[in-house]
Amino acid sequence: DVKVTQSSRYLVKRTGEKVFLECVQDMDHENMFWYRQDPGLGLRLIYFSYDVKMKEKGDIPEGYSVSREKKERFSLILESASTNQTSMYLCASRPGHYSYEQYFGPGTRLTVT
Amino acid sequence: EDQVTQSPEALRLQEGESSSLNCSYTVSGLRGLFWYRQDPGKGPEFLFTLYSAGEEKEKERLKATLTKKESFLHITAPKPEDSATYLCAVQVRAGGTSYGKLTFGQGTILTVHP
Repeated sequence: DVKVTQSSRYLVKRTGEKVFLECVQDMDHENMFWYRQDPGLGLRLIYFSYDVKMKEKGDIPEGYSVSREKKERFSLILESASTNQTSMYLCASRPGHYSYEQYFGPGTRLTVT
Repeated sequence: EDQVTQSPEALRLQEGESSSLNCSYTVSGLRGLFWYRQDPGKGPEFLFTLYSAGEEKEKERLKATLTKKESFLHITAPKPEDSATYLCAVQVRAGGTSYGKLTFGQGTILTVHP
């Protein structure tokens, strides 16, 4: 089975803090994604990576950055957390070019106070 | 602009009462349509991929079908454990180096009462 894990299930941070969310997949997938999910807005893509050290902006990249130094690990960084970044953050991975289904991790519920 | 619309927003069924969820899409070149199940507070769980009109996939009490404009998720004789939010997503054909992002619908919240 595909396994995608995220570093924390729940996280509480203060405004202005730098926040790191980590995601690890164990299936040698090439592509990895970060989404946030909010009531009424659905799932929105923040960033994705189609290879090590490669990244592309999604629909809502402002206020976020990412890092992918190793194939299995994709990190989302909130440079200076703000209250409007309180959300459920979901990581996903996908095998590669010709296999399109994405497999999701359990999510991190981030609260910024 | 690519759009995915799911209906109804919420559906309440009695155990054993079969029904269907709808996902209609307007995209410029469909590469794949995906169904996911999401339980509260958890990440979406992959269910099915459909690639072309006329294709059908089945898993236990669920059956997904695809036409050129919409997909249906049929639930036969549902049980309370089928209660969840069901998400539909599409992958569109894209040029250049885009490896394709999924566009998600808002989801249908299914509640099955015993």
